[in-house]
Amino acid sequence: EPEVTQTPSHQVTQMGQEVILRCVPISNHLYFYWYRQILGQKVEFLVSFYNNEISEKSEIFDDQFSVERPDGSNFTLKIRSTKLEDSAMYFCASSEQGGTEAFFGQGTRLTVV
Amino acid sequence: GESVGLHLPTLSVQEGDNSIINCAYSNSASDYFIWYKQESGKGPQFIIDIRSNMDKRQGQRVTVLLNKTVKHLSLQIAATQPGDSAVYFCAENGSWGKLQFGAGTQVVVTP
Repeated sequence: EPEVTQTPSHQVTQMGQEVILRCVPISNHLYFYWYRQILGQKVEFLVSFYNNEISEKSEIFDDQFSVERPDGSNFTLKIRSTKLEDSAMYFCASSEQGGTEAFFGQGTRLTVV
Repeated sequence: GESVGLHLPTLSVQEGDNSIINCAYSNSASDYFIWYKQESGKGPQFIIDIRSNMDKRQGQRVTVLLNKTVKHLSLQIAATQPGDSAVYFCAENGSWGKLQFGAGTQVVVTP
């Protein structure tokens, strides 16, 4: 069964460092997303990406964040200068269309120290 | 001081009983809703979806009910099993496929 894969599963970084979280969405999907979940809280939308550009982003997705689809398979989330409050699980998701079910990866646990 | 994190509502259910999980959504214009299951340390897993032109949809052991008048969704799990223990989130689908998640309900299945 096709699935969304994310790497690494756990990333520890020092405050102020840049991190890149990687995702391989399901191959025939056209819409890609990043969400985050702070421990014990609900899943929050960060950004959606379609046709090689950001289609929508939340207030959380400030200038420290960027996304890229560098080739035909990968979808990355970059945090330029990490803060302690960026510590969370980051989930990548993809869907065939905008109004169809989104499939989530297993997440990357980001710990900023 | 300010508390960190949400205290999730918890539904404790005996194995074999039916579970009902409720969710209120906010946007009356939302036309697509999804229930996700999240086990500890894993990503949300799709369970079932429903569009606003329906008020009920059934899957394997699960049923979703939609009441647009009061903006309410429910998920019913028949014959709850230990493997059903997880956090359950409802989500409403917005523009460009963006999902707005609810706060979640922790389901604990007891033997």
